[in-house]
Amino acid sequence: QKEVEQDPGPLSVPEGAIVSLNCTYSNSAFQYFMWYRQYSRKGPELLMYTYSSGNKEDGRFTAQVDKSSKYISLFIRDSQPSDSATYLCAMSALSGTYKYIFGTGTRLKVLA
Amino acid sequence: DSGVTQTPKHLITATGQRVTLRCSPRSGDLSVYWYQQSLDQGLQFLIQYYNGEERAKGNILERFSAQQFPDLHSELNLSSLELGDSALYFCASRGQGHKDTQYFGPGTRLTVL
Repeated sequence: QKEVEQDPGPLSVPEGAIVSLNCTYSNSAFQYFMWYRQYSRKGPELLMYTYSSGNKEDGRFTAQVDKSSKYISLFIRDSQPSDSATYLCAMSALSGTYKYIFGTGTRLKVLA
Repeated sequence: DSGVTQTPKHLITATGQRVTLRCSPRSGDLSVYWYQQSLDQGLQFLIQYYNGEERAKGNILERFSAQQFPDLHSELNLSSLELGDSALYFCASRGQGHKDTQYFGPGTRLTVL
């Protein structure tokens, strides 16, 4: 079993839809939860960062962490064609290395 | 622009050869992480350096090695290259605070023919 599981998609939605992306994990030591967006053949770009549990909102993006269920989500409101990309979740334990474990990524396509 | 730079952008070489990938972290960041991303796999952590010292190792092959120099730039050396080493190689840097996060460079695309 992988430490972090993420549905690879692809996920196709119409413009304006609400998108829900999810990851599950098995390591209860994870304390830091990140979402990165990666356009084709580019470097991952940090979207959202949450420490411990709870929700965080930034513009059209909302990140949720449910540590009791070992489940994190990223919601994108009013999705745009420019949101078409691969979304990677990443997690890290509270440790000296802050090594990240990444999900495999979900490919999202927003149709105009 | 994340502030992390990587060179070269593209590298094409033959099996059995050796290459060096270079990374310069964001100003002030002491940690550098190297990742490999293949088509059929996600980002795989290879190795981390902190202020010149190796801090953590992931799924890094013995044919691969890395180092971080006093000016904090890092190099990833890949030797005896095989076709399966063709991938995107990213480095990321991170600040010192426990709530800091990793910022990624644009990557180096390695093609082994």
